[in-house]
This record gives sequence, structure tokens and C-alpha cells, in this order.
Amino acid sequence: GENVEQHPSTLSVQEGDSAVIKCTYSDSASNYFPWYKQELGKRPQLIIDIRSNVGEKKDQRIAVTLNKTAKHFSLHITETQPEDSAVYFCAATDSWGKLQFGAGTQVVVTP
Amino acid sequence: DAGITQSPRYKITETGRQVTLMCHQTWSHSYMFWYRQDLGHGLRLIYYSAAADITDKGEVPDGYVVSRSKTENFPLTLESATRSQTSVYFCASSDSRIKATQYFGPGTRLTVL
Repeated sequence: GENVEQHPSTLSVQEGDSAVIKCTYSDSASNYFPWYKQELGKRPQLIIDIRSNVGEKKDQRIAVTLNKTAKHFSLHITETQPEDSAVYFCAATDSWGKLQFGAGTQVVVTP
Repeated sequence: DAGITQSPRYKITETGRQVTLMCHQTWSHSYMFWYRQDLGHGLRLIYYSAAADITDKGEVPDGYVVSRSKTENFPLTLESATRSQTSVYFCASSDSRIKATQYFGPGTRLTVL
């Protein structure tokens, strides 16, 4: 089955700097890669996703890149702000379409 | 987000008791999922359902039972709760199997004493 590894587990950045989170997956049939943000005590919420026929997608300060050959995808947050502090999860679909989540990255943005 | 709800939001129970967590969605989504969230493990799939009366096991199904008699409801039952089932449980739904966004409920924090 699908296995998703996510790094780093914690990430501390200065406000205004960039943050990068990387994930790798094992199932070459995976074709959908969402990223979720979870604030403390809240539900995970989709922030951006990318499909297998696209190499990069951007939404304001957030971008995701996908390298299907290497089986890895990354989340990039530019000009980080305190409200970006949260846990971020990557995920990849298995052959059925179920999501396999990474273990999460705790991002702390310090003023 | 208000379209998917969970109850109760918090539950404390004792080892050996039966507990049922409720999930209700108003979008008529075909697909529904139950996850548990534990520190260091992210979100792990317990059970999922493709439609009413169609359910299947996920990654960590042992000790759990589900049913789906109506499209909008997907209850999760712990038949005999154990301390290892202390966790935060999230229900999610989506309208498609492939490449579909999953929308999460607010979660239920369950403590088994």
C-alpha cells in the first residue's frame, strides 16, 4: 500500500522567511496530493492540492511542487506570518483513492 | 464546513464500555471516512464507506465497527473500549473517490479511563 513520509517533523521560521515541507510517497499510481493545515484544536482543512498532470501550483503565498519521477512533493510558504503557525499534513491517494497522510509538520512562526 | 458534524465533541468513558461516535453530513456525499489522530502518527484511516450499506476496513480497524444505513450518517462504534483507543476521531466526506477533496468534521476527543 501507499506510504507517505513527511519531513521535517518540526519547523521554526522567522516571520517573513520561507518554509518548505517535503513529502515522499511509494505508490506510483498515486495521482492526487492534497495539503491540509490544522490549527490547534481544530479540524484539518485543505489549503492546496495538486494533481498528477501538473508539476506546480501556486495560490498567493502557498505553492506546491510535484516530481512524479522522484515520487516527492513539497509545500512552500513564502513571507510567513504568525497565522501560518499550525500543523501541516501532506497526503497521497492509493490505488483506490483513499488518502494516506504523512505524520505532520509543526510549523512555528516567530515574530 | 458546517455541512459535516460530529457528536459528541468530548467523551470520557471507561475500559470495556461501548461507545458510539456520530457523524452527519448534509452534502449528500457518497464517500465517508473515519480517522483517528494520535501524536506522531498523523491521521490514520479506521473505516471508510463508498455508499449506504458499503463499508470497508482501513489501516487500523481492530476494535471498531461501522454502519451506514443512510447516506448522511456514518456512526463509529467502539464495542469494548480500551485505553489505546484514547484519541481524537475525525469523520470526513467527499463527493468522489478519485482526486477528491475530503472535508473533515470538527472531531471528537475520546478519553478511555
